[in-house]
Amino acid sequence: AQSVTQLDSQVPVFEEAPVELRCNYSSSVSVYLFWYVQYPNQGLQLLLKYLSGSTLVESINGFEAEFNKSQTSFHLRKPSVHISDTAEYFCAVNRGTYKYIFGTGTRLKVLA
Amino acid sequence: SAVISQKPSRDICQRGTSLTIQCQVDSQVTMMFWYRQQPGQSLTLIATANQGSEATYESGFVIDKFPISRPNLTFSTLTVSNMSPEDSSIYLCSVEGGTVGYEQYFGPGTRLTVT
Repeated sequence: AQSVTQLDSQVPVFEEAPVELRCNYSSSVSVYLFWYVQYPNQGLQLLLKYLSGSTLVESINGFEAEFNKSQTSFHLRKPSVHISDTAEYFCAVNRGTYKYIFGTGTRLKVLA
Repeated sequence: SAVISQKPSRDICQRGTSLTIQCQVDSQVTMMFWYRQQPGQSLTLIATANQGSEATYESGFVIDKFPISRPNLTFSTLTVSNMSPEDSSIYLCSVEGGTVGYEQYFGPGTRLTVT
C-alpha cells in the first residue's frame, strides 16, 4: 500500500533562514508527487509537482523540491524564507489518477 | 485554475443534527471530490462525485452518513448526518485540474465543530 510520511509536524525557522520540509513516500509503482500549501483559513493550493523529467522542480515563489527515487523522497526546500511563507505544507502522491495519498502536513512557522 | 467557494465557512452544531455543505465552482467540471481533514491528520478522501451518477465512496465512508448531491457541473453538496463530536473536522471540496498530473483545485474548506 502507498503511504506518505512527513516526519516534522512543525518547523519553526527565522526569517531569511533556509528551510527543508521532509517527505518520504512508499510505493511499488511510479507515482506523481506534489506539494500543496494551505495558508490560514484558505484551501490547499498547488505549490509544485513532479511528473517526469528533471528531478528538481521549482515554484514561482522560490521553493524547490527534488525527487530522489532511490530514497523515495521529495523534500521541499527554500534558501531564504519570508514571514508570508508561514503555512501548512502537504506532500501528496498519486498513481496517475485523481486519488491522492496525503501526508499529515508540516506547519511552517517563520519567526521575525 | 478553478475558483471554488464553500458555504458555510464554519459552523458549530449539536450532536444528532445534520449539516449540509455547499460547494460551488466557477467553471464546469466533471469530477468533484469531498475530503475530510481531521486535526493533526492528513486529508482523507470521502467520495468522488460525478454529475449524473451516484457518488463513489471510499472505504470507511457510507452514503447514509455522508449523502452527496451533484445536480449540475458546477455545484455539489455534502451532508454530514446524525453528527457526533468525532465528525468535528474541516471538510474540503475539490475539483479536477486536468489529466496531466491529475492535480486538483481545492475550496477554502468548512470548519465543523460538533458539541
